[in-house]
Amino acid sequence: QKEVEQDPGPLSVPEGAIVSLNCTYSNSAFQYFMWYRQYSRKGPELLMYTYSSGNKEDGRFTAQVDKSSKYISLFIRDSQPSDSATYLCAMTAAGNKLTFGGGTRVLVKP
Amino acid sequence: NAGVTQTPKFRILKIGQSMTLQCAQDMNHNYMYWYRQDPGMGLKLIYYSVGAGITDKGEVPNGYNVSRSTTEDFPLRLELAAPSQTSVYFCASSYSPSGGSYNEQFFGPGTRLTVL
Repeated sequence: QKEVEQDPGPLSVPEGAIVSLNCTYSNSAFQYFMWYRQYSRKGPELLMYTYSSGNKEDGRFTAQVDKSSKYISLFIRDSQPSDSATYLCAMTAAGNKLTFGGGTRVLVKP
Repeated sequence: NAGVTQTPKFRILKIGQSMTLQCAQDMNHNYMYWYRQDPGMGLKLIYYSVGAGITDKGEVPNGYNVSRSTTEDFPLRLELAAPSQTSVYFCASSYSPSGGSYNEQFFGPGTRLTVL
């Protein structure tokens, strides 16, 4: 069983819809949680970072962490075609050795 | 700032050949990392370095070697290429003053390697 599970998709939504992404994990020591966005044939770039449980909002993006359920989510409001990418969750207990999910491919259709 | 740069962008190797993937960063970051990304598998850490002269293994180090003689450069060496090393390789860097908490990792554009 993978330490971090993420549905590979693809997740196809119409422009303007809410995109909902999630990851589950098994290691209760994880306390730093990240979402990376990766465009085709590019390197990942950090979207959101959350420490411990709770919510964090940045523009159209909201990250949620529920440590009791070992479940994290990313919501994208008012989705745009430019949001079409692969979204990777990542997490770490401490320091800088990240464990990544497999990524979810998102397609936002005009 | 160029950020994190990687060369080459693409490479095809024959089984048993060797090569070095180059990585450089101009952000004066102390941490540098090498990941590989296979389809649907996310990124897996191969090696990392906390500073010049200091390297350590990640999750999948077998078949690879690294060195870090300067802050800026972190090359990854494949000695005897095997088909299982066909992957996309990403280099990343971060600045971590203490190492105990997360600090944003900045990724390069990747090197696509095929071993035939």
